[in-house]
Amino acid sequence: KAGVTQTPRYLIKTRGQQVTLSCSPISGHRSVSWYQQTPGQGLQFLFEYFSETQRNKGNFPGRFSGRQFSNSRSEMNVSTLELGDSALYLCASSLAGVGEQYFGPGTRLTVT
Amino acid sequence: TQLLEQSPQFLSIQEGENLTVYCNSSSVFSSLQWYRQEPGEGPVLLVTVVTGGEVKKLKRLTFQFGDARKDSSLHITAAQPGDTGLYLCAGEGSGGGADGLTFGKGTHLIIQP
Repeated sequence: KAGVTQTPRYLIKTRGQQVTLSCSPISGHRSVSWYQQTPGQGLQFLFEYFSETQRNKGNFPGRFSGRQFSNSRSEMNVSTLELGDSALYLCASSLAGVGEQYFGPGTRLTVT
Repeated sequence: TQLLEQSPQFLSIQEGENLTVYCNSSSVFSSLQWYRQEPGEGPVLLVTVVTGGEVKKLKRLTFQFGDARKDSSLHITAAQPGDTGLYLCAGEGSGGGADGLTFGKGTHLIIQP
């Protein structure tokens, strides 16, 4: 089975812009979670989608949003980018819930 | 808010030595997972422990879940350079995943040949 794929792998944006990141889960996995990883804070949970519905949400501002499509692919959007949004954004899929997560390689976002 | 504290933060040892990494919390977790992450990649799941007191072995790696399901340890025997990486523990709360997985900040492990 193919693993979790994320595009793009690297991205450079300017403050105030918006960005959309994409994630394709492992075939058959219906749950997709997004995490932000920074050196200072480690991995922090953003949100989880299951069957096109946001099921859980972490403690991030409303500038961070996401959606899931009928084929389980997911996108994450960050609007009005801030310097502090520079991070590795990781997508993880699982069969049905938060449980055992299978991570993609991440998208490295740099905000200048 | 559930927190997981990992120790040590950094560890550099010689090939062939043994080591233990700790993951502690004041909260109870329904399960706990260990991941290894290499530079430029996402974390890779190593093991999941569910039952208090559970011990799982994966070749030279031994994972233990505390009796009260608040802490865990990872022991590596005869470490090899290929074990180098960031080791992360992650707990699933008893709230059915409402807060996603809670991750520790990780232990950066370097095994020198």
